[in-house]
Amino acid sequence: DMKVTQMPRYLIKRMGENVLLECGQDMSHETMYWYRQDPGLGLQLIYISYDVDSNSEGDIPKGYRVSRKKREHFSLILDSAKTNQTSVYFCASRRTGMNNQAPLFGEGTRLSVL
Amino acid sequence: SQLAEENSWALSVHEGESVTVNCSYKTSITALQWYRQKSGKGPAQLILIRSNEREKRNGRLRATLDTSSQSSSLSITATRCEDTAVYFCAPPGTGSNRLTFGKGTKFSLIP
Repeated sequence: DMKVTQMPRYLIKRMGENVLLECGQDMSHETMYWYRQDPGLGLQLIYISYDVDSNSEGDIPKGYRVSRKKREHFSLILDSAKTNQTSVYFCASRRTGMNNQAPLFGEGTRLSVL
Repeated sequence: SQLAEENSWALSVHEGESVTVNCSYKTSITALQWYRQKSGKGPAQLILIRSNEREKRNGRLRATLDTSSQSSSLSITATRCEDTAVYFCAPPGTGSNRLTFGKGTKFSLIP
């Protein structure tokens, strides 16, 4: 069953704490994405990963870093979280080279930074 | 830096009526994807329309593409409660794989 799994689904952290958001896929997709979504702003691209240890900044990478040590897993890390990083975070994956194939999205992680 | 954007923030119709979401894009494209995002879920692709297609149908959904005006539309006929969602258009992002989205159009039914 093709699926992108995000953990945790809900997370509450205090300002200054470190945050780890996990994403997994079982389709051996090479390309993976992290987005954040805020009301009225749509989906904003944070990072793209083209494969293991091959990551690229998206449109809003500041305050975030990523790790991809296995093709199946892509992590988003917030070092010393800020209140303006409260958002819903989505992970997605897609097979590279499949023209026009849409990525598969996870169900999101709702992060609150207090 | 999104390459495509929906033209309306929100649309509402009565159940059973039709609705059309419009989209404009900025660059030459090989295809355009329409997505639907239901509340609490991630976006999911509805229709892919290629640059050599003027129209594509999928059940109650109909997408059109006008490459001369760089615009596309997604029409939903006989709307139902389950159609309530945010709709996005986006080029596939192949090549550089930078898939970006606009703000979306929120569709709801008038009670």
